[in-house]
Amino acid sequence: DVKVTQSSRYLVKRTGEKVFLECVQDMDHENMFWYRQDPGLGLRLIYFSYDVKMKEKGDIPEGYSVSREKKERFSLILESASTNQTSMYLCASSSDRRWGAGELFFGEGSRLTVL
Amino acid sequence: KQEVTQIPAALSVPEGENLVLNCSFTDSAIYNLQWFRQDPGKGLTSLLLIQSSQREQTSGRLNASLDKSSGRSTLYIAASQPGDSATYLCAVRPVNLGSGTYKYIFGTGTRLKVLA
Repeated sequence: DVKVTQSSRYLVKRTGEKVFLECVQDMDHENMFWYRQDPGLGLRLIYFSYDVKMKEKGDIPEGYSVSREKKERFSLILESASTNQTSMYLCASSSDRRWGAGELFFGEGSRLTVL
Repeated sequence: KQEVTQIPAALSVPEGENLVLNCSFTDSAIYNLQWFRQDPGKGLTSLLLIQSSQREQTSGRLNASLDKSSGRSTLYIAASQPGDSATYLCAVRPVNLGSGTYKYIFGTGTRLKVLA
């Protein structure tokens, strides 16, 4: 089974702190995604990556950056956390190279609270 | 611009009832459509993936259909159980040029409650 693992389920940070959210997948997927989910706004794409060291902005990239140094790992970075970044962050991965192409698999989510 | 709508936003049914959840999308040019389940405070769990060339997929008590021409998909849940209570989301992967092809467009979900 595909497994997408997010390093922290719950985090509490202070305004201005640098925050790292880590995501690892074990199925050799080339595509990885970071979303945030807020009540009433649904899922919004922050960044995605379709290959190592490749990244593309999603719909709401402001205030975030990403890193993909290895195929299995995709990190989301909040350079200076703000209270409006309090949210549920969801990592996902997919592959277009096998049956079920494009099926999206999600991690358990990271609930970030910025005080 | 592709939009995905799920109506109703919330639904309560008695245990044992068969039910249908709806997903509508505005542009029929899609690679696939996927149904997910989300429990409170958790990530999304993939239920069924329907490729654009397929009409339906089945897994256990779940059956999902796809009608691209009308921009609709339905998720049928047979003999519902209290454990089916969750939010159900659908997502489409639109056919786009360039990097847009990697994007998925999500509905806002239907919150289902199955009463014992």
